[in-house]
Amino acid sequence: GAGVSQSPSNKVTEKGKDVELRCDPISGHTALYWYRQSLGQGLEFLIYFQGNSAPDKSGLPSDRFSAERTGGSVSTLTIQRTQQEDSAVYLCASSWGQETQYFGPGTRLLVL
Amino acid sequence: QKEVEQDPGPLSVPEGAIVSLNCTYSNSAFQYFMWYRQYSRKGPELLMYTYSSGNKEDGRFTAQVDKSSKYISLFIRDSQPSDSATYLCAMNGGNNRLAFGKGNQVVVIP
Repeated sequence: GAGVSQSPSNKVTEKGKDVELRCDPISGHTALYWYRQSLGQGLEFLIYFQGNSAPDKSGLPSDRFSAERTGGSVSTLTIQRTQQEDSAVYLCASSWGQETQYFGPGTRLLVL
Repeated sequence: QKEVEQDPGPLSVPEGAIVSLNCTYSNSAFQYFMWYRQYSRKGPELLMYTYSSGNKEDGRFTAQVDKSSKYISLFIRDSQPSDSATYLCAMNGGNNRLAFGKGNQVVVIP
């Protein structure tokens, strides 16, 4: 079956621009997660959705970062006024329960 | 101290050797333990999942969890060049977020 998909796969933007990253979870998965993977930092949790609500957004690094999920399915992560330190791979994952999370291929963001 | 420690040093082994990877953790609430494999420029792929202490075997892969020592391991037997990837340990204590180690890059030399 179809896995988690993310778009775009690569994004190059200029410092100060806004970007939107999209995630399509596995059909039927109620939980959705965003992580960031930076060189030397490992995977860093950003935000968790259960359905359309976000009970845990404690990992968002600043108020420039926001995310929403509509219809219990697609999620969008928005980064406003991008900075060079935002350059990373942004990974989305989904799950049915709280144990196993299945990851998408990621969006590679480069802020010039 | 980070919640999950994984020595990120690269590991090179000859084909057919046993690969041994491990992580330690500090949060005693962790009860779900996973190993992910990540190929270059791809997302992490779930490899092994274990609940609480014990061993789990799947083909050439064995995962071990020792909650008393807060120590988990992954063994790859008869390693193949296709096993060359980064291996990430991850764990969860019921708050839905996964805590990851930094990953080990494994290279299996033909």
